Amino acid sequence: EAEVAQSPRYKITEKSQAVAFWCDPISGHATLYWYRQILGQGPELLVQFQDESVVDDSQLPKDRFSAERLKGVDSTLKIQPAELGDSAMYLCASSQGPNNEQFFGPGTRLTVL
Amino acid sequence: GEDVEQSLFLSVREGDSSVINCTYTDSSSTYLYWYKQEPGAGLQLLTYIFSNMDMKQDQRLTVLLNKKDKHLSLRIADTQTGDSAIYFCAESTSSASKIIFGSGTRLSIRP
Repeated sequence: EAEVAQSPRYKITEKSQAVAFWCDPISGHATLYWYRQILGQGPELLVQFQDESVVDDSQLPKDRFSAERLKGVDSTLKIQPAELGDSAMYLCASSQGPNNEQFFGPGTRLTVL
Repeated sequence: GEDVEQSLFLSVREGDSSVINCTYTDSSSTYLYWYKQEPGAGLQLLTYIFSNMDMKQDQRLTVLLNKKDKHLSLRIADTQTGDSAIYFCAESTSSASKIIFGSGTRLSIRP
């Protein structure tokens, strides 16, 4: 069964360092989402792509976060510099289209020391 | 703005029914979802209901929607140890795909 892949699964970094997370959506899925899930809370959308274009990044802290999906397939989320408050689970999801079921990857757990 | 509220914890005896409740504020919500998250894993869509429905049943799962009170519930019949997880209520409108999640209800099963 096709799955959303994410790497790394775990990342520990020191504050002020740069980190990057990678997501490979299910083949053929045009819509890709990055969510942040703080411990004890539900996921919050950071950015949504339709193919290679950003359609919603209203909750993305653009001073330190960036996301790209250059060829409309896999995607990278970067944080530079990382802050203590960025410690969270970063979830990637994909769907065939914007009104279709979202399939989630296993997430990357980030710890900033 | 949109908000989804749910209780944080629920403990039930194995074999009993679990009922997880949720309230939402956006009257234009069209899709209402229940997701399951097991420890260290991503979210798995369990079921969803359209706002023009008031009930949906899928094997052991029953979703009830009271649109007037903006209340959604998930009933799990014959709860098993494998049902231990965090359950998220979520909603979205038809005009946008952005999903708003609640904070999750942690379901624990007693023997």
